[in-house]
Amino acid sequence: GQNIDQPTEMTATEGAIVQINCTYQTSGFNGLFWYQQHAGEAPTFLSYNVLDGLEEKGRFSSFLSRSKGYSYLLLKELQMKDSASYLCAVKQTYKYIFGTGTRLKVLA
Amino acid sequence: EAGVTQFPSHSVIEKGQTVTLRCDPISGHDNLYWYRRVMGKEIKFLLHFVKESKQDESGMPNNRFLAERTGGTYSTLKVQPAELEDSGVYFCASSQVNEQFFGPGTRLTVL
Repeated sequence: GQNIDQPTEMTATEGAIVQINCTYQTSGFNGLFWYQQHAGEAPTFLSYNVLDGLEEKGRFSSFLSRSKGYSYLLLKELQMKDSASYLCAVKQTYKYIFGTGTRLKVLA
Repeated sequence: EAGVTQFPSHSVIEKGQTVTLRCDPISGHDNLYWYRRVMGKEIKFLLHFVKESKQDESGMPNNRFLAERTGGTYSTLKVQPAELEDSGVYFCASSQVNEQFFGPGTRLTVL
Protein backbone atom coordinates (compact mmCIF):
# COMPACT_ATOMS: atom_id res chain seq x y z
CA GLY A 1 0.00 0.00 0.00
CA GLN A 2 0.92 3.67 -0.07
CA ASN A 3 1.99 5.25 3.18
CA ILE A 4 3.48 8.60 4.13
CA ASP A 5 4.19 9.35 7.78
CA GLN A 6 4.89 12.67 9.44
CA PRO A 7 4.64 13.78 13.06
CA THR A 8 1.29 15.36 13.78
CA GLU A 9 2.54 18.36 15.72
CA MET A 10 5.77 20.07 16.63
CA THR A 11 6.58 23.13 18.70
CA ALA A 12 9.69 25.28 18.47
CA THR A 13 10.92 28.67 19.60
CA GLU A 14 11.41 31.75 17.46
CA GLY A 15 14.98 31.89 16.13
CA ALA A 16 15.54 28.15 16.57
CA ILE A 17 16.01 25.36 14.03
CA VAL A 18 13.42 22.64 13.52
CA GLN A 19 13.54 19.42 11.49
CA ILE A 20 10.33 17.85 10.24
CA ASN A 21 10.70 14.23 9.19
CA CYS A 22 8.79 12.30 6.57
CA THR A 23 8.99 8.60 5.81
CA TYR A 24 7.30 7.02 2.85
CA GLN A 25 6.47 3.67 1.33
CA THR A 26 5.01 4.04 -2.13
CA SER A 27 4.77 1.86 -5.20
CA GLY A 28 6.45 4.49 -7.39
CA PHE A 29 8.70 7.47 -6.84
CA ASN A 30 9.38 10.46 -9.07
CA GLY A 31 10.26 13.02 -6.42
CA LEU A 32 9.44 14.26 -2.96
CA PHE A 33 7.85 17.64 -2.35
CA TRP A 34 7.33 19.84 0.68
CA TYR A 35 4.48 22.32 0.94
CA GLN A 36 3.53 24.90 3.54
CA GLN A 37 -0.13 25.47 4.33
CA HIS A 38 -1.45 28.19 6.60
CA ALA A 39 -4.86 27.59 8.09
CA GLY A 40 -7.64 28.20 5.59
CA GLU A 41 -5.23 28.81 2.73
CA ALA A 42 -3.89 26.83 -0.22
CA PRO A 43 -0.67 24.83 0.07
CA THR A 44 2.39 26.63 -1.31
CA PHE A 45 5.42 24.89 -2.75
CA LEU A 46 8.59 24.93 -0.66
CA SER A 47 11.03 22.43 -2.09
CA TYR A 48 11.54 19.38 -4.28
CA ASN A 49 14.03 16.50 -4.15
CA VAL A 50 14.37 13.80 -6.76
CA LEU A 51 17.97 12.75 -6.06
CA ASP A 52 19.54 11.90 -2.71
CA GLY A 53 21.03 14.76 -0.80
CA LEU A 54 20.30 18.20 0.49
CA GLU A 55 18.58 21.03 -1.36
CA GLU A 56 18.92 24.47 0.21
CA LYS A 57 16.62 27.39 -0.38
CA GLY A 58 17.23 30.29 1.94
CA ARG A 59 16.02 29.42 5.45
CA PHE A 60 14.55 26.14 4.19
CA SER A 61 16.44 22.97 3.28
CA SER A 62 15.16 19.55 2.34
CA PHE A 63 16.97 16.24 2.42
CA LEU A 64 16.17 12.96 0.69
CA SER A 65 17.37 9.39 1.07
CA ARG A 66 15.60 7.19 -1.45
CA SER A 67 17.10 3.96 -0.12
CA LYS A 68 15.67 4.70 3.33
CA GLY A 69 12.39 6.19 2.12
CA TYR A 70 13.14 9.24 4.21
CA SER A 71 13.10 12.99 3.87
CA TYR A 72 13.27 15.94 6.18
CA LEU A 73 12.53 19.63 5.97
CA LEU A 74 14.85 21.87 7.94
CA LEU A 75 13.70 25.34 8.90
CA LYS A 76 16.31 27.74 10.28
CA GLU A 77 15.94 31.05 12.12
CA LEU A 78 12.32 30.33 12.82
CA GLN A 79 9.89 33.20 12.59
CA MET A 80 6.38 33.48 13.96
CA LYS A 81 5.01 33.45 10.42
CA ASP A 82 6.44 29.92 9.99
CA SER A 83 3.62 28.61 12.17
CA ALA A 84 1.72 26.48 9.66
CA SER A 85 1.21 22.92 8.50
CA TYR A 86 4.01 21.33 6.49
CA LEU A 87 2.98 18.68 4.00
CA CYS A 88 5.21 15.99 2.57
CA ALA A 89 4.12 14.58 -0.80
CA VAL A 90 5.50 11.87 -3.08
CA LYS A 91 5.09 12.21 -6.80
CA GLN A 92 4.37 9.05 -8.74
CA THR A 93 4.07 9.02 -12.51
CA TYR A 94 0.94 11.13 -12.79
CA LYS A 95 -0.25 11.61 -9.22
CA TYR A 96 0.88 12.96 -5.89
CA ILE A 97 0.36 11.26 -2.54
CA PHE A 98 0.26 13.54 0.48
CA GLY A 99 0.98 12.93 4.12
CA THR A 100 -1.42 14.30 6.72
CA GLY A 101 0.92 17.17 7.48
CA THR A 102 2.85 18.39 10.50
CA ARG A 103 1.40 21.33 12.39
CA LEU A 104 4.28 23.54 13.53
CA LYS A 105 3.78 26.08 16.29
CA VAL A 106 6.45 28.73 16.70
CA LEU A 107 6.51 30.30 20.15
CA ALA A 108 7.90 33.71 20.99
CA GLU B 1 0.55 36.90 -13.30
CA ALA B 2 -2.77 35.51 -12.06
CA GLY B 3 -2.60 32.40 -9.94
CA VAL B 4 -4.91 29.40 -9.97
CA THR B 5 -8.47 30.45 -9.34
CA GLN B 6 -11.41 28.38 -8.20
CA PHE B 7 -15.11 29.06 -8.15
CA PRO B 8 -17.12 29.09 -5.98
CA SER B 9 -15.15 29.55 -2.79
CA HIS B 10 -17.96 27.96 -0.78
CA SER B 11 -20.93 25.84 -1.71
CA VAL B 12 -23.64 24.48 0.55
CA ILE B 13 -26.04 22.02 -1.05
CA GLU B 14 -28.44 19.33 0.02
CA LYS B 15 -27.87 15.65 -0.44
CA GLY B 16 -29.00 14.58 -3.88
CA GLN B 17 -28.31 17.92 -5.55
CA THR B 18 -25.70 18.61 -8.20
CA VAL B 19 -22.72 20.90 -7.83
CA THR B 20 -20.13 21.98 -10.38
CA LEU B 21 -16.77 23.32 -9.30
CA ARG B 22 -14.57 25.29 -11.63
CA CYS B 23 -10.81 25.70 -11.79
CA ASP B 24 -8.86 28.13 -13.95
CA PRO B 25 -5.19 27.13 -14.01
CA ILE B 26 -2.25 29.43 -14.58
CA SER B 27 -2.08 30.29 -18.25
CA GLY B 28 0.25 27.96 -20.13
CA HIS B 29 0.18 25.19 -17.53
CA ASP B 30 -0.61 21.92 -19.26
CA ASN B 31 -0.91 19.93 -16.05
CA LEU B 32 -4.05 20.34 -13.96
CA TYR B 33 -4.84 18.36 -10.81
CA TRP B 34 -7.90 18.00 -8.60
CA TYR B 35 -7.56 17.09 -4.93
CA ARG B 36 -9.91 16.79 -1.99
CA ARG B 37 -9.26 17.28 1.70
CA VAL B 38 -11.77 15.92 4.17
CA MET B 39 -11.47 17.46 7.65
CA GLY B 40 -8.65 15.93 9.65
CA LYS B 41 -7.39 13.83 6.77
CA GLU B 42 -4.66 14.19 4.17
CA ILE B 43 -5.06 15.87 0.81
CA LYS B 44 -6.17 13.13 -1.57
CA PHE B 45 -5.45 13.06 -5.27
CA LEU B 46 -8.51 12.82 -7.49
CA LEU B 47 -7.24 13.15 -11.03
CA HIS B 48 -4.68 14.66 -13.37
CA PHE B 49 -5.16 16.27 -16.77
CA VAL B 50 -2.46 16.98 -19.31
CA LYS B 51 -4.09 19.52 -21.57
CA GLU B 52 -7.53 18.04 -22.22
CA SER B 53 -6.54 14.41 -21.63
CA LYS B 54 -7.05 12.55 -18.37
CA GLN B 55 -3.70 10.99 -17.45
CA ASP B 56 -4.76 9.45 -14.17
CA GLU B 57 -8.23 9.41 -12.64
CA SER B 58 -7.57 6.63 -10.18
CA GLY B 59 -8.43 8.86 -7.24
CA MET B 60 -11.97 9.65 -8.31
CA PRO B 61 -14.19 8.19 -5.57
CA ASN B 62 -16.98 6.85 -7.80
CA ASN B 63 -19.00 7.59 -10.91
CA ARG B 64 -20.89 10.42 -9.23
CA PHE B 65 -17.80 12.53 -9.94
CA LEU B 66 -17.12 13.80 -13.45
CA ALA B 67 -14.20 16.02 -14.41
CA GLU B 68 -13.73 17.73 -17.73
CA ARG B 69 -11.18 20.03 -19.30
CA THR B 70 -12.50 20.90 -22.70
CA GLY B 71 -9.99 22.77 -24.81
CA GLY B 72 -7.27 22.18 -22.27
CA THR B 73 -7.89 25.41 -20.39
CA TYR B 74 -10.23 25.54 -17.40
CA SER B 75 -11.61 22.44 -15.76
CA THR B 76 -14.87 21.54 -14.08
CA LEU B 77 -15.61 18.90 -11.48
CA LYS B 78 -19.24 17.90 -11.22
CA VAL B 79 -20.70 15.91 -8.36
CA GLN B 80 -24.08 14.37 -9.15
CA PRO B 81 -25.88 13.45 -6.98
CA ALA B 82 -23.98 14.77 -3.97
CA GLU B 83 -23.76 12.67 -0.81
CA LEU B 84 -22.90 13.70 2.75
CA GLU B 85 -19.42 12.17 2.53
CA ASP B 86 -18.54 14.43 -0.41
CA SER B 87 -18.14 17.36 1.97
CA GLY B 88 -14.63 18.75 2.12
CA VAL B 89 -12.31 21.23 0.48
CA TYR B 90 -11.64 20.65 -3.19
CA PHE B 91 -8.31 22.00 -4.38
CA CYS B 92 -7.14 22.46 -7.91
CA ALA B 93 -3.47 22.81 -8.81
CA SER B 94 -1.60 23.43 -12.04
CA SER B 95 2.01 23.01 -13.10
CA GLN B 96 4.34 23.22 -16.05
CA VAL B 97 6.80 20.61 -14.81
CA ASN B 98 7.14 19.85 -11.12
CA GLU B 99 6.18 22.86 -9.03
CA GLN B 100 2.45 22.77 -8.43
CA PHE B 101 0.54 25.97 -7.77
CA PHE B 102 -2.60 25.44 -5.75
CA GLY B 103 -5.82 27.35 -5.95
CA PRO B 104 -7.58 28.60 -2.80
CA GLY B 105 -10.00 25.67 -2.83
CA THR B 106 -13.76 25.27 -2.84
CA ARG B 107 -15.30 24.33 0.50
CA LEU B 108 -18.22 22.02 -0.25
CA THR B 109 -20.76 21.24 2.44
CA VAL B 110 -23.45 18.65 1.72
CA LEU B 111 -26.35 18.71 4.19
